[in-house]
Amino acid sequence: EVQLVESGGGLVQPGGSLRLSCAASGFTFSDYSMNWVRQAPGKGLEWLSYIISSNDLINYADSVKGRFTISRDNAKNSVYLQMSSLRAEDTAVYYCARDRVYAFEDWGQGILVTISS
Amino acid sequence: QSALTQPRSVSGSPGQSVTISCTGTSSDVGGYSYVSWYQQHPGKAPKLIIYDVNKRPSGVPDRFSGSKSGNTASLTISGLQAEDETDYYCCSYAGSYTWVFGGGTKLTVL
Repeated sequence: EVQLVESGGGLVQPGGSLRLSCAASGFTFSDYSMNWVRQAPGKGLEWLSYIISSNDLINYADSVKGRFTISRDNAKNSVYLQMSSLRAEDTAVYYCARDRVYAFEDWGQGILVTISS
Repeated sequence: QSALTQPRSVSGSPGQSVTISCTGTSSDVGGYSYVSWYQQHPGKAPKLIIYDVNKRPSGVPDRFSGSKSGNTASLTISGLQAEDETDYYCCSYAGSYTWVFGGGTKLTVL
């Protein structure tokens, strides 16, 4: 059974940083590309970032480009999202999602990130 | 990277069919056959129900079907059931390993 478990969320002040982790199990992690998607309270889904299985192709949504960094460690079956210069509008539930080639096949349970002073 | 356009809400009676539209541009929906649909119950993670415009993952009932014409994709749910009442999101590949979601549609089963 595929499992994706996010961690590292919490309350951060505006301008601060946070690193989210997503631990994967139940599949060969190194064979799959991964994504981060977020959902602000009461709002829709927003794709944030993609990282290919081999780690050498990455992309970001314009809304987070230059502030967020995606990375992965295939030896640890984990994908990460380093978030900096955080703003109130970054408050959301953050999901990691396994790629099935142009769609998001499996999702974690999500982790809440709150940006507030 | 503008969001795809979905109706805020749709409704139907049990047993009927409803269709949710998803309108984008030639740079996303119209340019690729990579539209996916997600079902999300309150407080839960989204669930993939349609990918590649009209393919269903294993375990998704065939009551759910997808299609696309030009810059507009559609999700049709036939034989509506009470458990189908929730939020639905479309998503399209937009090139260069970027994706764009729709704003979401709340389905009410009357």
